[in-house]
Amino acid sequence: KAGVTQTPRYLIKTRGQQVTLSCSPISGHRSVSWYQQTPGQGLQFLFEYFSETQRNKGNFPGRFSGRQFSNSRSEMNVSTLELGDSALYLCASSLSTGDGYEQYFGPGTRLTVT
Amino acid sequence: SQKIEQNSEALNIQEGKTATLTCNYTNYSPAYLQWYRQDPGRGPVFLLLIRENEKEKRKERLKVTFDTTLKQSLFHITASQPADSATYLCALHTGRRALTFGSGTRLQVQP
Repeated sequence: KAGVTQTPRYLIKTRGQQVTLSCSPISGHRSVSWYQQTPGQGLQFLFEYFSETQRNKGNFPGRFSGRQFSNSRSEMNVSTLELGDSALYLCASSLSTGDGYEQYFGPGTRLTVT
Repeated sequence: SQKIEQNSEALNIQEGKTATLTCNYTNYSPAYLQWYRQDPGRGPVFLLLIRENEKEKRKERLKVTFDTTLKQSLFHITASQPADSATYLCALHTGRRALTFGSGTRLQVQP
C-alpha cells in the first residue's frame, strides 16, 4: 500500500498570505489528523477529520482550518500567515477514529513564513 | 493540567547496550499508549501500542511496559545499534480526545 502523501513538501510564504496544504491518506483509512511540529512546542494536534466531519480540534486560532473530502483526502488552510506559523505540518491517517488506532504519518510540509 | 513528560532530551549509549526511555503522564487515564520513532526531517513512524490491561509488549528488540498505577511507560531497545539513533515519542489517546505527544527523547547510539 502507498503511504500517506503530502503536497507540497516545501513552501515559502510571506506574512499575511494564506496557504493550503494537501494530504492523501493510506487507501482505506478514513481518519485524517493534522499536527504542527516546531522545535519549541513539539508535535501539537490541530484537528482530526473522519467521514468528512471534524471530530476533534486542538487549541489553535480560527486561522487554521481544514476539510476532508469524500475520498478521505484532506486539506488544511492557514489564513493571514504569521512568522510563528513556520513549522513542519504533518498529516496522519488511521483506519478509524478514537482509541486504539495507530497513526501513519506523511513526510510533512515544511512551511516557512518570511 | 494534563502533561506528558519524557525523560531527558537526549540519551547517549554504547552499541550493544539496552536503551531505556521513560514516559510519565499526569492527569490522564489513558486506555492506550503508543510509541513512535522520528528521524530528522521525517514524519513519526508507529512502533508499538500497549493497552491499559497489558503490562508488557514486545516486538523484535523493542519492549514496552505500561504501569497505570505509576502513570508511566518504559520503552526498551535491547542490543542497540547506531541505526536506532532517532527521537522516540510517546503518545496518549483517551476516549475521543486527540493523540497527544510527549516532547520526545533523542537517542544516540555510539558505535
